[in-house]
Order: sequence, then structure tokens, then C-alpha cells
Amino acid sequence: DAKTTQPTSMDCAEGRAANLPCNHSTISGNEYVYWYRQIHSQGPQYIIHGLKNNETNEMASLIITEDRKSSTLILPHATLRDTAVYYCIDGGSNYKLTFGKGTLLTVNP
Amino acid sequence: ETGVTQSPTHLIKTRGQQVTLRCSSQSGHNTVSWYQQALGQGPQFIFQYYREEENGRGNFPPRFSGLQFPNYSSELNVNALELDDSALYLCASSLKREKGSEQYFGPGTRLTVT
Repeated sequence: DAKTTQPTSMDCAEGRAANLPCNHSTISGNEYVYWYRQIHSQGPQYIIHGLKNNETNEMASLIITEDRKSSTLILPHATLRDTAVYYCIDGGSNYKLTFGKGTLLTVNP
Repeated sequence: ETGVTQSPTHLIKTRGQQVTLRCSSQSGHNTVSWYQQALGQGPQFIFQYYREEENGRGNFPPRFSGLQFPNYSSELNVNALELDDSALYLCASSLKREKGSEQYFGPGTRLTVT
């Protein structure tokens, strides 16, 4: 079973920032936080991961709270192509990813 | 594009038959994982191979087996197919390292068992 908790769905206006929350209530000290997304009928796409520091790449920013019990994925300027199911996952490096049901983000024009 | 390819794209089999699905990892990656995704669910981990050896397994019966070849391509074999095996099968490749490792997924093989 997935160890993370995410809202089932969220909406965002095109061009605005999308902030997707995740709770990691049982995360342990050496487990990373990963974010993936899946556009309908495609394989999941890696977005970003981190351990305890905030991270940023060309796709998104990842904010991890100091106690590591929650994280937020930020898409700074959402586009229609960002409509997808977003999964947050915590787990050890190089091992299995335990996916939950994720958050369906719908970006509206 | 992740550089991970899978074949075939779609497949229809009959209950009781056997199936082999193939995956070609991204160049330089030494680890491959397989996942099963039923309709409306998140992907479920089947197993992982690292340097041609099984490196972890999820809650799947032994009729799910795999191989990883020296060139890091991989196969997933499923024997005695059941109707519930109908799903999208995904492979993901990664480079095993200490500081976390992202997995890159292929487009999947859609298996239908009738």
C-alpha cells in the first residue's frame, strides 16, 4: 500500500502556479521524496526528487518541510499539457516505487 | 522521450497461455524494474533486476518471472495467464547510485487476456 496521502483531484488555471501537496507521515530518515506524473495512457514521467533540501529543475520545484512529513510540488506556470495524474512517493534509493492513486491535476484554459 | 522502449505495444492472449514482454533500457542504465498497472490504479511493483540478478520483488506469484541481459535489455514472462493479468505493463530503467535514483519509464505494453 502507498505510504503517502494526496488529494484526489485539483484544478489550476493555465499560466498560474500549481501547488500539489503530499503527506509523508511514515517517511524515514533515509527515504527520498519522488514526484512522477502520468499523462493518460502513457508511462509515468519522472519530475523531481529530494531528501531534505528544496530542489528545483527545469520542470518544477520541490518543497520539503523541515520535519519531512509533507512536501509540495510546484509547477510555476501550468500549461494545458500539464494535465495529468501526479504521484508523490517516498522510498529508498534504487528500489521499488510504491504508487498510490495520485492527484489528478486539471489545467483549465 | 525517455529512451526506454517496450514491445509489443498491444497484445491479446487467451487465459492459460504464456506471454513474453520486452524492454530496452536507456543507454548506460544498469537497473530495470517492471510494474503492472490495472485500469484506474497506480502502477504496482513486480520486480527489479540489477546486473542480471533479481534485486527485489513485489507481491506477485512465481508465474511472473524476468530476465535481464548483459546489454541491459529485459524480459517479463507471465505463465498461465489469468483474466486479472489484463493490464498495462511498464518497465523502467535507472542507474543504481547512492543518492537517490530516478526511474525512466517506457510507454508500456497493453495486455488483454480473454
